[in-house]
Amino acid sequence: EVQLVESGGGLVKPGGSLRLSCAASGFTFSSYTMNWVRQAPGKGLEWVSFISSTSSYIYYADSVKGRFTISRDNAKNSLYLQMNSLRVEDTAVYYCARVQLGPFAAFDIWGQGTMVTVSS
Amino acid sequence: EIVLTQSPGTLSLSPGERATLSCRASQSVSSTYLAWYQQKPGQAPRLLIYGASSRATGIPDRFSGSGSGTDFTLTISRLEPEDFAVYCCQQYGGSPYSFGQGTKLEIK
Repeated sequence: EVQLVESGGGLVKPGGSLRLSCAASGFTFSSYTMNWVRQAPGKGLEWVSFISSTSSYIYYADSVKGRFTISRDNAKNSLYLQMNSLRVEDTAVYYCARVQLGPFAAFDIWGQGTMVTVSS
Repeated sequence: EIVLTQSPGTLSLSPGERATLSCRASQSVSSTYLAWYQQKPGQAPRLLIYGASSRATGIPDRFSGSGSGTDFTLTISRLEPEDFAVYCCQQYGGSPYSFGQGTKLEIK
């Protein structure tokens, strides 16, 4: 079964750090571009970061640039998001999402999400 | 940055009716890079439509997408009880990717 499972969320104080992980299974992880997407409570989806299959291309939303770092370990079938200098407005469910192969490149597989709460 | 505006914010319909959801972009979007997602409470989004009009694997044919340029539409021909959810469009032609704010489809 194709699956993405996020972990690492939790409660952290403003200015703190967290590292999210996304474990992939059921497909050849190293062939796929991946993304992180977040959703604040009661709000819509917000794209956070993109990493190509070989980590050659990395992009960030302006709201997290300079504070978050995306990475992957293809040998471990894992995607990561290092989040530093966390702010209250970073509170959200964080999803990892796979980009479908081919020209269309929509986000075809999503994890169940992990909750990050930034509060004092 | 491309801003996607969805309308209406909430759509109240009955099972069996037809739903038409709109997604308007602040600048032209390639049809190749326009998708629709369905999200139910407490669940992750699910890909419905990619490339503006292609159904994702396992998506029933009552779901269809259309449009080009700045105006895109998701149509659900005959609503089933399980279709009541939030629907969101997305453009992924280049960074930054963006999502619409969503349309909530509720039972009338």
